[in-house]
Amino acid sequence: DQQVKQNSPSLSVQEGRISILNCDYTNSMFDYFLWYKKYPAEGPTFLISISSIKDKNEDGRFTVFLNKSAKHLSLHIVPSQPGDSAVYFCAAILGLESNDYKLSFGAGTTVTVRA
Amino acid sequence: DTEVTQTPKHLVMGMTNKKSLKCEQHMGHRAMYWYKQKAKKPPELMFVYSYEKLSINESVPSRFSPECPNSSLLNLHLHALQPEDSALYLCASSQGYVSSEQYFGPGTRLTVT
Repeated sequence: DQQVKQNSPSLSVQEGRISILNCDYTNSMFDYFLWYKKYPAEGPTFLISISSIKDKNEDGRFTVFLNKSAKHLSLHIVPSQPGDSAVYFCAAILGLESNDYKLSFGAGTTVTVRA
Repeated sequence: DTEVTQTPKHLVMGMTNKKSLKCEQHMGHRAMYWYKQKAKKPPELMFVYSYEKLSINESVPSRFSPECPNSSLLNLHLHALQPEDSALYLCASSQGYVSSEQYFGPGTRLTVT
């Protein structure tokens, strides 16, 4: 049962514009959320994260928003650059420091930034 | 069977010990991964095996040695670890090479004394 869902498999955006990636989850007990970025033939690399006690985290061009009531988070990339073209994975952690740790990834969204 | 199993669940070892972490999946997945996660940090990718061959090594010290005996098994051999290596070690697998959803095991919580 897929607890983290990225319903848009792909996104195309023009360079300089905003990219918005969405992620929905079903388990209200998740306590930490992450976004990973992956280039072809490379492993995923950590991009940005947010604790469940916050609703926004910003790091340079990347901002993650969390709406706990809607069980929804989003990643905003502003401005989008050609190097941002990659697959983006949303992930959620349950039991961050417990023995019942679980990490669930979404299926990924492929972002293409057009020049 | 949609489970990735890891053994042991907990491991305490001294800096001179040699131990191994084991991971197993029977989903027919062809990519398997080792991640390391420190407290309050996101998981960090260590190794990726694709079709039983090591395809990614994220500059991991040689005291960590991965092994993929067959398509269902993944080991991580540990030798001469340091206390800072104490962490949760996660194994994962996916149908395709990295791009598809990864299924994670419960992890091995390692403490180096």
